[in-house]
Amino acid sequence: DGGITQSPKYLFRKEGQNVTLSCEQNLNHDAMYWYRQDPGQGLRLIYYSQIVNDFQKGDIAEGYSVSREKKESFPLTVTSAQKNPTAFYLCASSIHDDRNNYGYTFGSGTRLTVV
Amino acid sequence: KNQVEQSPQSLIILEGKNCTLQCNYTVSPFSNLRWYKQDTGRGPVSLTIMTFSENTKSNGRYTATLDADTKQSSLHITASQLSDSASYICVVSRPPQKLVFGTGTRLLVSP
Repeated sequence: DGGITQSPKYLFRKEGQNVTLSCEQNLNHDAMYWYRQDPGQGLRLIYYSQIVNDFQKGDIAEGYSVSREKKESFPLTVTSAQKNPTAFYLCASSIHDDRNNYGYTFGSGTRLTVV
Repeated sequence: KNQVEQSPQSLIILEGKNCTLQCNYTVSPFSNLRWYKQDTGRGPVSLTIMTFSENTKSNGRYTATLDADTKQSSLHITASQLSDSASYICVVSRPPQKLVFGTGTRLLVSP
């Protein structure tokens, strides 16, 4: 089945640690995105990538980093510089950078908790 | 400011009843409006997508309407089922390629 796989589903991080969230897709989509979801707020864009080896900052990129070495993979690193990392993280993909249209698919999410 | 406001924040209905969720937006310019269903702890799943020229779009028991003049949309759920319990998110697309998300309406369908 085609889709987006995020792992792990739950992740716990100690203060000062970096953690990496995985996102893999087999939809042959060009563009991939990372969103953060907090209670009572709409999804906010962290980073996005339109093609391999290229990515752009979203609205809340501070304290996060990404890479896009393969078309299928877009891992997100939450660094110790992120002041409030506890949240639900969603990865998405689409054909081209086509946020205007169909073919926009979300993963199942990773819940990150700082302990 | 480009915003998407949804109401109500939460809603409880009895199984089998109908309900309507509201979405008002101030996003401009506008490309399309989407409704997503998000189960707890899961990613959003697309229900409908409408461009400014479309007034209504159905997907099974889900029917979305759009009034681009008043910048309002609604999602009507017919004959609700327990599996409809979820958050419903309204998303407006603004060129160039920017999505603005609402905060969602949390629906609980009670037996």
